[in-house]
Amino acid sequence: GNSVTQMEGPVTLSEEAFLTINCTYTATGYPSLFWYVQYPGEGLQLLLKATKADDKGSNKGFEATYRKETTSFHLEKGSVQVSDSAVYFCALWEYNFNKFYFGSGTKLNVKP
Amino acid sequence: DVKVTQSSRYLVKRTGEKVFLECVQDMDHENMFWYRQDPGLGLRLIYFSYDVKMKEKGDIPEGYSVSREKKERFSLILESASTNQTSMYLCASSLIAGASTDTQYFGPGTRLTVL
Repeated sequence: GNSVTQMEGPVTLSEEAFLTINCTYTATGYPSLFWYVQYPGEGLQLLLKATKADDKGSNKGFEATYRKETTSFHLEKGSVQVSDSAVYFCALWEYNFNKFYFGSGTKLNVKP
Repeated sequence: DVKVTQSSRYLVKRTGEKVFLECVQDMDHENMFWYRQDPGLGLRLIYFSYDVKMKEKGDIPEGYSVSREKKERFSLILESASTNQTSMYLCASSLIAGASTDTQYFGPGTRLTVL
């Protein structure tokens, strides 16, 4: 079956530090992969996505590359800001099932 | 921009009450979803609908029902609320994709407390 596993949080970093949040997946077909972000008190917002192997999604300084060989979609940012503090969810969508599979979320705390 | 709205941000109900959570999207999306979000468990799919009057059970449908009478509106119903249904409820919508991808758009969430 399909599933998404992401690193447990919370992750605490100082401002301007490098961020990596690991995400690996299991899928029966050829999924699309997503990162969503949830700021305190809000719903989820799409951060970036990639639809096929070797695609790189990017937005707001965040990047993730779809790696089929390692079934991974790790989220990275070169220099985090306090305003990046949020919960980050990795997700996959597979056409045959027409539903999303979400990871459990990773909370990021960025300290000034 | 796609807009998904939910009828309440915060709701407090008593055990045994019937509770309605409403969700409306304005982009003519085919699919609509209800999730609950609990600490350490991430998002869990309760029900989804891919067309008017159609519904499919998700991973945790017990204790819930849904209604989709119009394309833009998807309601989640707790027939008899219980304390273990205290949670954040998130509605989402997506356009049916004919090819290879789809994106879900989320509402702001309703934090339900059942006393």
